[in-house]
Amino acid sequence: EIALTQSPATLSLSPGERATLSCRASQSISTYLAWYQQKPGQAPRLLVHGASNRASGIPPRFSGSGSGTDFTLTISSLEPEDFAVYYCQQRSHWPTFGGGTKVEIK
Amino acid sequence: EVQLVESGGGLGQPGGSLTVSCAASGFTFSGYVMGWVRQVPGKGLELVSIISGSGTTTYYADSVKGRFTISRDNSKNILYLQMHSLRAEDTAVYHCVKSPFWNGYSYFDSWGQGTLVAVSS
Repeated sequence: EIALTQSPATLSLSPGERATLSCRASQSISTYLAWYQQKPGQAPRLLVHGASNRASGIPPRFSGSGSGTDFTLTISSLEPEDFAVYYCQQRSHWPTFGGGTKVEIK
Repeated sequence: EVQLVESGGGLGQPGGSLTVSCAASGFTFSGYVMGWVRQVPGKGLELVSIISGSGTTTYYADSVKGRFTISRDNSKNILYLQMHSLRAEDTAVYHCVKSPFWNGYSYFDSWGQGTLVAVSS
């Protein structure tokens, strides 16, 4: 099973700041990585697939990058609605999820 | 608009059985892989099982293999998860998920709100 490690566990930032979230895979997964956003009481929402492809309706302030074992989700300028938990997921092998990064208001 | 609505959760006894269902609408149900992802409240996500669009291919997490069965009724646009030999660690919210693909491992472009399954005596 491929393990995904997300860091940091919590990111404390202010609206308008840049957020950089990391996801590291235990072995190479090419670009078979997706990112999701989950707000309290809601289901996860797909943000990015194929490591860098924004899902339908996702604003351009969200961008994904990386390949192999190291991946990054960047939110260029945090909006109030972006404070949430973010998960990465790989589909190279049996799909697994990272433990999540909580982006909280500083 | 894609809609996935789960039902059938509730309290189950250790060693007992429960079945959860997912009613799908807004897309050609038979054309896509469907699955179940569970989440312990306040914790992370775990893929439990997926099924191909035709229903002929199924996959399971090791943690549920031999105890859970996924199936689908493409004539009614309903996805099922039969859960047997329930354990306390099966307690979670079970989300119905849709893949953009017809077969194989995938990410998930639509999620239901989930149904809570609690296993306790």
